[in-house]
Amino acid sequence: DAGITQSPRHKVTETGTPVTLRCHQTENHRYMYWYRQDPGHGLRLIHYSYGVKDTDKGEVSDGYSVSRSKTEDFLLTLESATSSQTSVYFCAISEGRQGKNIQYFGAGTRLSVL
Amino acid sequence: AQSVTQPDIHITVSEGASLELRCNYSYGATPYLFWYVQSPGQGLQLLLKYFSGDTLVQGIKGFEAEFKRSQSSFNLRKPSVHWSDAAEYFCAVAPNTDKLIFGTGTRLQVFP
Repeated sequence: DAGITQSPRHKVTETGTPVTLRCHQTENHRYMYWYRQDPGHGLRLIHYSYGVKDTDKGEVSDGYSVSRSKTEDFLLTLESATSSQTSVYFCAISEGRQGKNIQYFGAGTRLSVL
Repeated sequence: AQSVTQPDIHITVSEGASLELRCNYSYGATPYLFWYVQSPGQGLQLLLKYFSGDTLVQGIKGFEAEFKRSQSSFNLRKPSVHWSDAAEYFCAVAPNTDKLIFGTGTRLQVFP
């Protein structure tokens, strides 16, 4: 398995509270991604990073922010969690190589917002 | 806009039977194509990929996929399914960017 660790693996929180999910890699890959997985939607990209302090939005970025201060860490923050953000969140990493984008995935974080 | 369609939400097969999972993409040029598998409670694992060259690609666990440009398809096949193949399968396309676009997935159930 690629060296990707997501923490926490499970979290239950209340509406309106801030939540931060962490993705840590040991592969020194340039690209890191956050997805959410919901039934009937497959995986949808939230945000991604193409280097330290370099990030961009995906298709479902509203309500989420990210930060990458080190190559190995990519944080996803829900500033004020809502029930619609209950989901399974996956981090992925990639060397990039534009177009030949082989992504490797972490084990996921199951988030429940009550 | 680029998109990926997996028309079968759920497929059930008997162990030992052959399998074909369908994937169609919408993109103007030849994209880079992938199949991933997700076992329950796990992350996604790459099964195989197509970048160029031979349109029949071999992957792990005995899977193969065939790229058909005329049909904009990249169907996944396995000649004989094992109970351990029960999982969810995702087709994805990288339309020459650093992002992947995923289909909505096909859940495979295998009966003994």
